[in-house]
Amino acid sequence: AQSVTQPDIHITVSEGASLELRCNYSYGATPYLFWYVQSPGQGLQLLLKYFSGDTLVQGIKGFEAEFKRSQSSFNLRKPSVHWSDAAEYFCAVVIFGNEKLTFGTGTRLTIIP
Amino acid sequence: ETGVTQTPRHLVMGMTNKKSLKCEQHLGHNAMYWYKQSAKKPLELMFVYNFKEQTENNSVPSRFSPECPNSSHLFLHLHTLQPEDSALYLCASSQEGTSGNTGELFFGEGSRLTVL
Repeated sequence: AQSVTQPDIHITVSEGASLELRCNYSYGATPYLFWYVQSPGQGLQLLLKYFSGDTLVQGIKGFEAEFKRSQSSFNLRKPSVHWSDAAEYFCAVVIFGNEKLTFGTGTRLTIIP
Repeated sequence: ETGVTQTPRHLVMGMTNKKSLKCEQHLGHNAMYWYKQSAKKPLELMFVYNFKEQTENNSVPSRFSPECPNSSHLFLHLHTLQPEDSALYLCASSQEGTSGNTGELFFGEGSRLTVL
């Protein structure tokens, strides 16, 4: 069965520092890949998605993610975080032909001054 | 209003109560979803409706009963719940059948349910 792993439950970074959140998926075929963000008290919002083509995708709020087929990874990055980026981040996959979205357990991001 | 709206935002109920969660989407989408979000667990897909027809019931106990009267409204009727059902219940919508939109869900802010 398809699965999504986010190895880091909680990450703390300083404001202005760079960020990388890890995501690995387990499936034989290349899935559609997504990152969602959930701010406190809010629903989830789509940050970016990868379907095909350029393996480096740009999203909203200055985020980007890189698909690496050889590593089955889709890590989320931001060069300089802002205090407003504090939130929970979810990686998700959809397998082509089975359009059910499977979420990882999430990574909670804390920003310190 | 725009987006996906959920009411109530917070609900406390006893195990013998009957209550309902409501979701309304103003995006013109044709699919709506209920997800359960519990602490330290992945989001759990509960129900999916496409064009008002239920297309997914992810082994959800019968004490949860969905209703989709039209493509803009979705309800989750609750009865005889258990304390372990306490969670954040998220509604989402999407436009299915359009290439490039697969997996792009628009979420409401959720209804925080506490079962005593």
